[in-house]
Amino acid sequence: DTGVSQDPRHKITKRGQNVTFRCDPISEHNRLYWYRQTLGQGPEFLTYFQNEAQLEKSRLLSDRFSAERPKGSFSTLEIQRTEQGDSAMYLCASSPPDSYSYNEQFFGPGTRLTVL
Amino acid sequence: QQQVKQSPQSLIVQKGGISIINCAYENTAFDYFPWYQQFPGKGPALLIAIRPDVSEKKEGRFTISFNKSAKQFSLHIMDSQPGDSATYFCAASKVAGANNLFFGTGTRLTVIP
Repeated sequence: DTGVSQDPRHKITKRGQNVTFRCDPISEHNRLYWYRQTLGQGPEFLTYFQNEAQLEKSRLLSDRFSAERPKGSFSTLEIQRTEQGDSAMYLCASSPPDSYSYNEQFFGPGTRLTVL
Repeated sequence: QQQVKQSPQSLIVQKGGISIINCAYENTAFDYFPWYQQFPGKGPALLIAIRPDVSEKKEGRFTISFNKSAKQFSLHIMDSQPGDSATYFCAASKVAGANNLFFGTGTRLTVIP
């Protein structure tokens, strides 16, 4: 399968714990995005990487959230001191580097986070 | 503030009928308008997309109509099938910057046999 992969698919944690999610983009896609989707809503942008550089962060990305993309390959999203309001589906997407297709974003299956 | 407004929230269509979902936007800097299909528990899948230099794009049973002056675009699903039952999201993005997508709130489509 050459699509975007995410791990884990589901995570249940207790309030106050730290969690980390991983995203592996489509090979050779240099752009990588994280979105959050709550029940009944569309995905909301969190942050964006071009290669290893984090170029944009949404105001939704509080200080408890941090994302990395070492060496411009896979990415991790960490949430520290989780709160019940963090419960959501966390989606990763990637897009290719060519100038015409760079808007096309391909999503992974998501990581469903439940904070008890 | 919702950058992309989508309607209806839910839609029930008979098998073989036409499903129509509408979206509107305000930001004239948007220049890429995709539609995504999402099944429960899955990530959104890119269905079809349009850029403002054309007014219509068709791929199989799916057509996007785009009205730049009205800042509106719509998805038409011809000959709707039960397998099309899913949630559909319109979205928009800009050329400059992160090109992050601004999504509508989604339309839950149910196609009844």
